[in-house]
Amino acid sequence: EAGVTQFPSHSVIEKGQTVTLRCDPISGHDNLYWYRRVMGKEIKFLLHFVKESKQDESGMPNNRFLAERTGGTYSTLKVQPAELEDSGVYFCASSQEGHFSGNTIYFGEGSWLTVV
Amino acid sequence: GDSVTQMEGPVTLSEEAFLTINCTYTATGYPSLFWYVQYPGEGLQLLLKATKADDKGSNKGFEATYRKETTSFHLEKGSVQVSDSAVYFCALKRPGANSKLTFGKGITLSVRP
Repeated sequence: EAGVTQFPSHSVIEKGQTVTLRCDPISGHDNLYWYRRVMGKEIKFLLHFVKESKQDESGMPNNRFLAERTGGTYSTLKVQPAELEDSGVYFCASSQEGHFSGNTIYFGEGSWLTVV
Repeated sequence: GDSVTQMEGPVTLSEEAFLTINCTYTATGYPSLFWYVQYPGEGLQLLLKATKADDKGSNKGFEATYRKETTSFHLEKGSVQVSDSAVYFCALKRPGANSKLTFGKGITLSVRP
């Protein structure tokens, strides 16, 4: 079974440009999460989809970030326009739906974004 | 709000040394607790988890026990290897179907031969 896959794995863009990150969750997982780790700091929650609906987007830093999950399958995270402080690793994760907090959340390998 | 506190790093050990990485948490209710690991150049992987008080999670020689009385989930390994060099993250997840993970800052472990 394929794990969570993310694309691109690495991206270097100039300040002011746009970047779109894509995440394909594990098949059958209704929960999809985006997290971000800025260098040397903790991994911070950005938002959470349940199927195609945004369950929680309290972690989105500002309106330059737009996440979508059309059809409840893959998700995209667009940063427009990118700023230097957006550099970091963007992790996508997915989990099965269920009423159990111990349900494992599976992470992708991350998309490493560098804004120069 | 929920929070996870990890000991300051980085940590450098010699091969076969004993490892302890401290983790304490603050949360309402009874969260599930996790350790994730990120090896160089790779993504986050679940190392182990515990879902209720006094549970012990274990994997690859690592262990951690859910201690509610001290709100801790310290990670231990009796004999580390060079291949254990990685960044280790402690995390919690509140009860509820759709809650999110809250992470600590992570700690870098380097094991020298």
